[in-house]
Amino acid sequence: QKEVEQNSGPLSVPEGAIASLNCTYSDRGSQSFFWYRQYSGKSPELIMFIYSNGDKEDGRFTAQLNKASQYVSLLIRDSQPSDSATYLCAVNGGGTSYGKLTFGQGTILTVHP
Amino acid sequence: EAGVAQSPRYKIIEKRQSVAFWCNPISGHATLYWYQQILGQGPKLLIQFQNNGVVDDSQLPKDRFSAERLKGVDSTLKIQPAKLEDSAVYLCASSLWIRELFFGEGSRLTVL
Repeated sequence: QKEVEQNSGPLSVPEGAIASLNCTYSDRGSQSFFWYRQYSGKSPELIMFIYSNGDKEDGRFTAQLNKASQYVSLLIRDSQPSDSATYLCAVNGGGTSYGKLTFGQGTILTVHP
Repeated sequence: EAGVAQSPRYKIIEKRQSVAFWCNPISGHATLYWYQQILGQGPKLLIQFQNNGVVDDSQLPKDRFSAERLKGVDSTLKIQPAKLEDSAVYLCASSLWIRELFFGEGSRLTVL
């Protein structure tokens, strides 16, 4: 089982729709969770982080965390063509792995006009 | 504030040759990371430094890869000898807190 696994994609949504990106992780002791966006040929940049169960909203982005199910998701409302990118889920491990950020394989999102 | 600096941006070598990548983190960031990102995959942690000490190098292929961070500031990642499967983008990142990693633009390696 991969440590961090994302829905394989690619995901294609029309402009204005909600894009839903999912991620599961294997380390039950994981402490914090991050979503990075990576445009083609560029480096990852942080969109959001979440520590506690529930939802966290920032503008058009909402991160959702369910530690019991070891599941974290990212919702993008009113998707724009500029949101087209690869979205990377990253997990900060627990215990002796604290401080080690492990990335998923990424989900390619395309928002078409 | 200057970002994470990496060089060279691109490097093409033949297998069995050696290559070195350099990274200068954001000033004041104690933690420095080297990630390998193969096309179509997520970044894979190679090594993590806290100041000039190694925190995690469990996924570093130590028979061919080495990294150092002298004086707790800039860092060098070396590959010797290179293999075809080392073709990837090598990303350096730094952080003040685990909350956010700041990535450099990456060094793209092609091994022929």
